[in-house]
Amino acid sequence: AQKITQTQPGMFVQEKEAVTLDCTYDTSDPSYGLFWYKQPSSGEMIFLIYQGSYDQQNATEGRYSLNFQKARKSANLVISASQLGDSAMYFCAMREITGNQFYFGTGTSLTVIP
Amino acid sequence: NAGVTQTPKFRILKIGQSMTLQCTQDMNHNYMYWYRQDPGMGLKLIYYSVGAGITDKGEVPNGYNVSRSTTEDFPLRLELAAPSQTSVYFCASSYPDRVTEAFFGQGTRLTVV
Repeated sequence: AQKITQTQPGMFVQEKEAVTLDCTYDTSDPSYGLFWYKQPSSGEMIFLIYQGSYDQQNATEGRYSLNFQKARKSANLVISASQLGDSAMYFCAMREITGNQFYFGTGTSLTVIP
Repeated sequence: NAGVTQTPKFRILKIGQSMTLQCTQDMNHNYMYWYRQDPGMGLKLIYYSVGAGITDKGEVPNGYNVSRSTTEDFPLRLELAAPSQTSVYFCASSYPDRVTEAFFGQGTRLTVV
Protein backbone atom coordinates (compact mmCIF):
# COMPACT_ATOMS: atom_id res chain seq x y z
CA ALA A 1 0.00 0.00 0.00
CA GLN A 2 1.14 3.50 -0.74
CA LYS A 3 2.28 5.37 2.31
CA ILE A 4 1.48 8.75 0.77
CA THR A 5 -1.19 9.39 -1.86
CA GLN A 6 -1.60 12.60 -3.80
CA THR A 7 -4.55 12.23 -6.14
CA GLN A 8 -4.30 15.54 -8.00
CA PRO A 9 -1.65 15.33 -10.73
CA GLY A 10 -2.32 18.92 -11.77
CA MET A 11 -4.16 21.90 -10.33
CA PHE A 12 -4.88 25.39 -11.59
CA VAL A 13 -5.67 28.40 -9.45
CA GLN A 14 -6.32 32.04 -10.19
CA GLU A 15 -3.80 34.49 -8.81
CA LYS A 16 -4.80 35.78 -5.34
CA GLU A 17 -7.17 32.85 -4.78
CA ALA A 18 -6.66 30.05 -2.27
CA VAL A 19 -5.97 26.48 -3.29
CA THR A 20 -5.95 23.14 -1.46
CA LEU A 21 -3.61 20.33 -2.40
CA ASP A 22 -4.70 16.93 -1.14
CA CYS A 23 -2.59 14.38 0.67
CA THR A 24 -3.63 11.17 2.40
CA TYR A 25 -1.30 8.87 4.28
CA ASP A 26 -1.20 5.36 5.61
CA THR A 27 0.52 4.36 8.81
CA SER A 28 -0.10 2.31 11.90
CA ASP A 29 2.51 4.20 13.92
CA PRO A 30 0.98 6.44 16.59
CA SER A 31 3.76 8.96 16.14
CA TYR A 32 4.75 10.44 12.81
CA GLY A 33 5.51 13.67 11.04
CA LEU A 34 4.02 15.07 7.86
CA PHE A 35 5.89 17.45 5.57
CA TRP A 36 5.22 19.45 2.44
CA TYR A 37 7.89 20.40 -0.06
CA LYS A 38 7.82 22.70 -3.08
CA GLN A 39 9.83 21.94 -6.20
CA PRO A 40 9.95 24.86 -8.66
CA SER A 41 11.00 24.38 -12.26
CA SER A 42 14.61 24.99 -11.21
CA GLY A 43 14.47 21.62 -9.48
CA GLU A 44 15.44 22.20 -5.86
CA MET A 45 13.34 20.80 -3.00
CA ILE A 46 12.12 23.51 -0.66
CA PHE A 47 10.65 22.59 2.72
CA LEU A 48 7.37 24.41 3.41
CA ILE A 49 5.61 23.13 6.49
CA TYR A 50 5.53 20.39 9.12
CA GLN A 51 2.74 18.77 11.13
CA GLY A 52 3.30 16.31 13.96
CA SER A 53 0.80 13.57 14.66
CA TYR A 54 0.30 14.75 18.24
CA ASP A 55 -0.01 18.42 17.37
CA GLN A 56 -3.39 19.73 18.49
CA GLN A 57 -3.43 22.65 16.11
CA ASN A 58 -2.99 22.84 12.38
CA ALA A 59 0.42 24.08 11.33
CA THR A 60 0.77 27.43 9.63
CA GLU A 61 3.72 29.13 7.96
CA GLY A 62 2.91 32.44 6.35
CA ARG A 63 0.56 31.76 3.43
CA TYR A 64 0.83 28.01 3.94
CA SER A 65 -1.36 26.08 6.31
CA LEU A 66 -1.92 22.40 6.80
CA ASN A 67 -5.43 21.04 7.20
CA PHE A 68 -4.70 18.03 9.38
CA GLN A 69 -7.52 15.52 9.85
CA LYS A 70 -6.02 12.67 11.81
CA ALA A 71 -9.03 10.36 11.79
CA ARG A 72 -9.25 10.63 8.01
CA LYS A 73 -5.46 10.39 7.65
CA SER A 74 -5.30 13.47 5.53
CA ALA A 75 -2.87 16.38 5.57
CA ASN A 76 -3.92 18.84 2.92
CA LEU A 77 -1.83 21.89 2.10
CA VAL A 78 -3.69 25.17 1.79
CA ILE A 79 -2.01 28.04 -0.01
CA SER A 80 -3.75 31.35 0.49
CA ALA A 81 -3.53 34.37 -1.82
CA SER A 82 -1.75 32.46 -4.58
CA GLN A 83 1.12 34.14 -6.37
CA LEU A 84 2.66 33.43 -9.75
CA GLY A 85 5.76 32.19 -7.95
CA ASP A 86 3.71 29.44 -6.34
CA SER A 87 3.61 27.60 -9.67
CA ALA A 88 5.59 24.43 -8.92
CA MET A 89 5.36 20.76 -8.01
CA TYR A 90 4.29 20.09 -4.45
CA PHE A 91 5.17 16.93 -2.59
CA CYS A 92 3.68 15.53 0.58
CA ALA A 93 5.94 13.35 2.74
CA MET A 94 5.73 11.37 5.95
CA ARG A 95 8.22 10.09 8.48
CA GLU A 96 7.24 7.47 11.06
CA ILE A 97 8.70 7.26 14.56
CA THR A 98 9.73 3.67 13.92
CA GLY A 99 11.19 4.34 10.49
CA ASN A 100 14.38 5.75 9.13
CA GLN A 101 13.12 7.25 5.91
CA PHE A 102 10.81 9.82 4.41
CA TYR A 103 8.01 8.56 2.17
CA PHE A 104 6.99 10.87 -0.66
CA GLY A 105 3.86 11.13 -2.74
CA THR A 106 3.89 11.49 -6.52
CA GLY A 107 3.31 15.21 -6.33
CA THR A 108 0.83 17.79 -7.56
CA SER A 109 1.72 20.29 -10.25
CA LEU A 110 0.24 23.67 -9.39
CA THR A 111 -0.15 26.38 -12.00
CA VAL A 112 -1.14 29.87 -10.94
CA ILE A 113 -3.00 31.76 -13.65
CA PRO A 114 -2.63 35.56 -13.83
CA ASN B 1 26.04 27.67 5.61
CA ALA B 2 26.43 25.21 2.71
CA GLY B 3 23.87 22.58 3.85
CA VAL B 4 23.85 19.59 1.49
CA THR B 5 26.18 19.81 -1.49
CA GLN B 6 25.95 17.48 -4.48
CA THR B 7 28.35 17.20 -7.36
CA PRO B 8 28.16 17.15 -10.30
CA LYS B 9 24.99 19.03 -11.24
CA PHE B 10 24.80 17.47 -14.69
CA ARG B 11 26.37 14.41 -16.25
CA ILE B 12 26.03 12.39 -19.42
CA LEU B 13 27.19 8.79 -19.25
CA LYS B 14 27.51 6.17 -21.90
CA ILE B 15 25.93 2.78 -21.34
CA GLY B 16 28.25 0.60 -19.30
CA GLN B 17 30.25 3.46 -17.79
CA SER B 18 30.51 3.99 -14.07
CA MET B 19 30.49 7.11 -11.94
CA THR B 20 30.19 8.37 -8.40
CA LEU B 21 27.77 11.06 -7.32
CA GLN B 22 29.20 12.98 -4.43
CA CYS B 23 27.20 14.25 -1.47
CA THR B 24 28.43 16.07 1.59
CA GLN B 25 26.61 17.84 4.41
CA ASP B 26 27.91 20.21 7.06
CA MET B 27 24.99 20.04 9.51
CA ASN B 28 26.26 17.02 11.46
CA HIS B 29 23.17 15.05 10.49
CA ASN B 30 23.20 11.35 11.32
CA TYR B 31 20.81 10.36 8.58
CA MET B 32 21.53 10.65 4.89
CA TYR B 33 19.52 9.51 1.88
CA TRP B 34 19.74 9.08 -1.85
CA TYR B 35 16.57 9.49 -3.90
CA ARG B 36 15.91 9.37 -7.60
CA GLN B 37 13.18 11.31 -9.32
CA ASP B 38 12.01 10.19 -12.72
CA PRO B 39 10.17 12.67 -14.97
CA GLY B 40 6.75 13.54 -13.59
CA MET B 41 7.18 11.18 -10.67
CA GLY B 42 7.82 11.38 -6.98
CA LEU B 43 10.99 10.50 -5.15
CA LYS B 44 12.06 6.91 -4.72
CA LEU B 45 14.57 5.94 -2.06
CA ILE B 46 17.69 4.23 -3.34
CA TYR B 47 19.81 3.89 -0.19
CA TYR B 48 20.00 5.49 3.19
CA SER B 49 22.37 5.63 6.12
CA VAL B 50 21.71 6.22 9.81
CA GLY B 51 25.34 6.91 10.65
CA ALA B 52 28.93 6.37 9.63
CA GLY B 53 29.55 2.76 8.68
CA ILE B 54 25.84 1.90 8.40
CA THR B 55 23.92 1.75 5.14
CA ASP B 56 20.69 0.13 4.08
CA LYS B 57 18.72 -0.45 0.90
CA GLY B 58 15.70 1.55 -0.02
CA GLU B 59 13.00 0.86 -2.58
CA VAL B 60 15.18 0.84 -5.73
CA PRO B 61 18.78 -0.16 -4.85
CA ASN B 62 19.62 -2.31 -7.88
CA GLY B 63 22.50 -0.94 -9.93
CA TYR B 64 23.78 1.31 -7.15
CA ASN B 65 26.16 1.15 -4.24
CA VAL B 66 26.87 3.48 -1.35
CA SER B 67 29.34 3.91 1.46
CA ARG B 68 29.39 6.07 4.57
CA SER B 69 32.86 6.37 5.98
CA THR B 70 32.25 9.75 7.63
CA THR B 71 29.24 11.60 9.00
CA GLU B 72 29.61 14.24 6.31
CA ASP B 73 29.91 12.19 3.12
CA PHE B 74 27.56 9.75 1.43
CA PRO B 75 28.65 8.99 -2.15
CA LEU B 76 26.46 7.04 -4.56
CA ARG B 77 28.19 4.74 -7.03
CA LEU B 78 26.62 3.71 -10.34
CA GLU B 79 28.19 0.64 -11.86
CA LEU B 80 27.55 -0.29 -15.49
CA ALA B 81 25.18 2.57 -16.23
CA ALA B 82 21.94 1.72 -18.04
CA PRO B 83 19.39 4.00 -19.77
CA SER B 84 16.93 3.14 -16.97
CA GLN B 85 19.19 5.07 -14.61
CA THR B 86 18.53 8.32 -16.44
CA SER B 87 17.01 10.42 -13.70
CA VAL B 88 17.52 13.29 -11.30
CA TYR B 89 19.30 12.20 -8.14
CA PHE B 90 18.83 13.94 -4.83
CA CYS B 91 20.90 13.56 -1.73
CA ALA B 92 19.28 14.55 1.56
CA SER B 93 20.13 14.56 5.23
CA SER B 94 18.24 14.88 8.50
CA TYR B 95 18.39 14.48 12.24
CA PRO B 96 17.08 11.16 13.59
CA ASP B 97 13.85 12.45 15.10
CA ARG B 98 10.51 12.66 13.31
CA VAL B 99 9.99 16.37 13.85
CA THR B 100 12.67 17.71 11.58
CA GLU B 101 12.60 17.92 7.84
CA ALA B 102 15.00 16.44 5.34
CA PHE B 103 17.42 18.92 3.80
CA PHE B 104 18.06 18.38 0.13
CA GLY B 105 20.95 19.00 -2.18
CA GLN B 106 20.40 20.73 -5.50
CA GLY B 107 20.19 17.47 -7.41
CA THR B 108 22.22 15.78 -10.14
CA ARG B 109 20.67 15.39 -13.56
CA LEU B 110 22.07 12.20 -15.07
CA THR B 111 21.51 11.05 -18.63
CA VAL B 112 22.66 7.61 -19.79
CA VAL B 113 22.95 7.26 -23.57
